[in-house]
Amino acid sequence: AQTVTQSQPEMSVQEAETVTLSCTYDTSENNYYLFWYKQPPSRQMILVIRQEAYKQQNATENRFSVNFQKAAKSFSLKISDSQLGDTAMYFCAFMIIGTSYGKLTFGQGTILTVHP
Amino acid sequence: GAGVSQSPSNKVTEKGKDVELRCDPISGHTALYWYRQSLGQGLEFLIYFQGNSAPDKSGLPSDRFSAERTGGSVSTLTIQRTQQEDSAVYLCASSLVQGDTQYFGPGTRLTVL
Repeated sequence: AQTVTQSQPEMSVQEAETVTLSCTYDTSENNYYLFWYKQPPSRQMILVIRQEAYKQQNATENRFSVNFQKAAKSFSLKISDSQLGDTAMYFCAFMIIGTSYGKLTFGQGTILTVHP
Repeated sequence: GAGVSQSPSNKVTEKGKDVELRCDPISGHTALYWYRQSLGQGLEFLIYFQGNSAPDKSGLPSDRFSAERTGGSVSTLTIQRTQQEDSAVYLCASSLVQGDTQYFGPGTRLTVL
């Protein structure tokens, strides 16, 4: 079975600063995707970034980037120039490619608060 | 285009009643997923549809839970004889094909009194 662990229940950061959210996962599979989703108080889950396990290059999306360490099974999210609108719960998620029908396995989430 | 929509946004019901939760996926998305988000259990997978078929029902917690999808589009999650432990946010997601990125709806918050 696959597991995803987010060891930081809560994090806080000052506006304009950088913050890193941690995620580790456990799997015996070799082909998979990793995701970070953001869930603001509105409850809508929003895709932040996706990483394909077969790609060595770390994914980036504007102010969001990941540090993907496949051997260590680590997938952290770095948010640069934090903005008040980044305040949300962040979920790390894992999907096996080809089997398990593409269902996502989620971590427990990290509540991020950006302070002015 | 329009995203995934879910209705109702909130539902309060009495223990023992049946409830139906609706999901409208993004047009053209063939894969549809239901998840449940609760304080104690976090985010859990419930069921997956490919077209109108549900090849993976492994996450349904009991036989009180059922789901269907019609016309390869709208899906309904039905909970019979609701219990207090069914209180949660029920999230629906769709993707263009199985294994692609999933896009989520705003969820239905179910409260069982």
